[in-house]
Amino acid sequence: AQSVAQPEDQVNVAEGNPLTVKCTYSVSGNPYLFWYVQYPNRGLQFLLKYITGDNLVKGSYGFEAEFNKSQTSFHLKKPSALVSDSALYFCAVRDPPGRGSYIPTFGRGTSLIVHP
Amino acid sequence: GAGVSQSPSNKVTEKGKDVELRCDPISGHTALYWYRQSLGQGLEFLIYFQGNSAPDKSGLPSDRFSAERTGGSVSTLTIQRTQQEDSAVYLCASSFRLAGGGGDTGELFFGEGSRLTVL
Repeated sequence: AQSVAQPEDQVNVAEGNPLTVKCTYSVSGNPYLFWYVQYPNRGLQFLLKYITGDNLVKGSYGFEAEFNKSQTSFHLKKPSALVSDSALYFCAVRDPPGRGSYIPTFGRGTSLIVHP
Repeated sequence: GAGVSQSPSNKVTEKGKDVELRCDPISGHTALYWYRQSLGQGLEFLIYFQGNSAPDKSGLPSDRFSAERTGGSVSTLTIQRTQQEDSAVYLCASSFRLAGGGGDTGELFFGEGSRLTVL
């Protein structure tokens, strides 16, 4: 069974500083990994994904994430945080096509707060 | 419209009443998902539709919950005899995938959710 863990309920960072939101996963085979962002009273919005290829993937709004197979991690990063990045971030994992379910499993979410 | 549309955006009901939540996916998207988001609980999978295949209902929490998808497009999630623990935001998402798995880009496109409050 696939699972994903976001060990931090909340991350606080000062504007202009780098940010990291952690995610670890468990899935058989090569995973599909995703990050989504949720602003208040809105649905989830896709940020980036890893399917295959380069371990460092770049996404929307200057975010990037690094796939680390040995550590089964997919941490979300940004070199310089903005106040407007404050939101709820979800990591998700899914089996690759033909290896299981097409249903992604989501983490519990991490609240990112960027202080001015 | 261009995105996933859900209605109503807010629903307040009394314990024991039935409710229906509607989802209109992105045109052409073959896969449709329902998730439930409770405070501090992340996203809980409820049900998944793919084309004309039988839906995956493995996430429905009880037989009070049901969903259908008519004509491969609009979906309705029905909760019968609502309980206070059903209070949550119900999120719908869609994606494109061919029957054999081709065209699968993986990411889901979410609606803004239906907030259900059971008094």
